Formats: sequence, structure tokens, C-alpha cells
Amino acid sequence: AQTVTQSQPEMSVQEAETVTLSCTYDTSESDYYLFWYKQPPSRQMILVIRQEAYKQQNATENRFSVNFQKAAKSFSLKISDSQLGDAAMYFCAYRSAGGDDKIIFGKGTRLHILP
Amino acid sequence: EPEVTQTPSHQVTQMGQEVILRCVPISNHLYFYWYRQILGQKVEFLVSFYNNEISEKSEIFDDQFSVERPDGSNFTLKIRSTKLEDSAMYFCASNRLPGGPREETQYFGPGTRLLVL
Repeated sequence: AQTVTQSQPEMSVQEAETVTLSCTYDTSESDYYLFWYKQPPSRQMILVIRQEAYKQQNATENRFSVNFQKAAKSFSLKISDSQLGDAAMYFCAYRSAGGDDKIIFGKGTRLHILP
Repeated sequence: EPEVTQTPSHQVTQMGQEVILRCVPISNHLYFYWYRQILGQKVEFLVSFYNNEISEKSEIFDDQFSVERPDGSNFTLKIRSTKLEDSAMYFCASNRLPGGPREETQYFGPGTRLLVL
């Protein structure tokens, strides 16, 4: 079974600085998708960024980028120029590209932005 | 931009009562999901639904749970006899436009916060 591990329960970063959230996963599949979701205090789940495992190029979305290391099964999220609105719980997630399309989430990392 | 909606946003119920959580997926999406998140824990998959039937369910989704698409727009999760441990945030999600790519993202609703007393 696939698992997703986020080893940092909480992190803090100064406003305007850069922070990296770590995520590792375990799977025997070769084709899959990885996601980072943001959950602000409202508890809504918001997609931040998505990576297809067959793509070598790391995904980027404005201030958000990932470092995808397939061999190491690592998928970290980098947030540049951190803003107060970035404060939230961040979940790393995995989804098979095969018939099983449920999303498997990590336990999350709570990110605090210090003004 | 189209979005998944859920009602109610909050629900308080007595243990043993039935609750129905409602979701309106994004129009033209074909696959629907329910997830739950117990306070302080990770989000867990409950069930996926396609073509008017369950396509996959987790161990959590036992006989007290059921899902239904009663019409062309709503997708419901029913908990027949609620337990204290059912208190959680319940998220609905949908994806896959007709003919869309396999990697279509799951879009989540805002959640229903269920409290069982």
C-alpha cells in the first residue's frame, strides 16, 4: 500500500523569506501523481501544485515550486517570498495513475508566517 | 470558476441519529468522492462513486454509511446511526470531465463539520 510521510509537524518562516516543506512517499508503482494541498483555518482544501511522475521537470506555480526526486521518492514544496496568507496546514498527497484514483494524504505540516 | 459546494457547513446531531451530508459536484464531472478528517488528523478516503455505483470504498466506509446521487446534481453521504467517533470534517470532491485526461485533479468542496454529541 502507498504511504505519504511528512516529518515536519510545524514550521515557521519570516515573511518574505523562503521555506521548504518536506514529503516522502512509498509506492511500488511507476506512474502516479503527487499534490500539495493547502488547508487554511477555514479548513477548505485548496490545490497548490501538482506533479506527474512521468515528467522530469519540476512543477511551478508562481511562488510555489516542487523538488521532485523520483528515485528518492521525495516531493518537497518550496514557497518563495512567503506571505501572511500562506499560513495554513499543507498536505502532501499521492494518487495512482492506474484504476485506483483515491488520494492518499500525509499528516500535514502547519506553516506559520512570522511578520 | 466552477466549484464544489457542500451543505450544511456545520451540523450537530445526537448519537444514534441519521445525518445526510449534501454535495453538488462540479457540473459535467463524472467521478465523486467523500473524504473525512477527524480533528487534528489527516484526511482519509471514504468512498468513490462513478456511473451511479460505488467504485471503491475504504475500511471506514462500513454498513452505516451510504452514498447516493438522487438527481443530476446532488451527491449525498448518509450516516445511518451516528457515533461519537463520526465527528469530523467531511469533504466531497469531484473530477474527470467527459473525455478529460486521466490525471484530472480532484476538486474539493469546503467541507461539512459534523459534531456528534
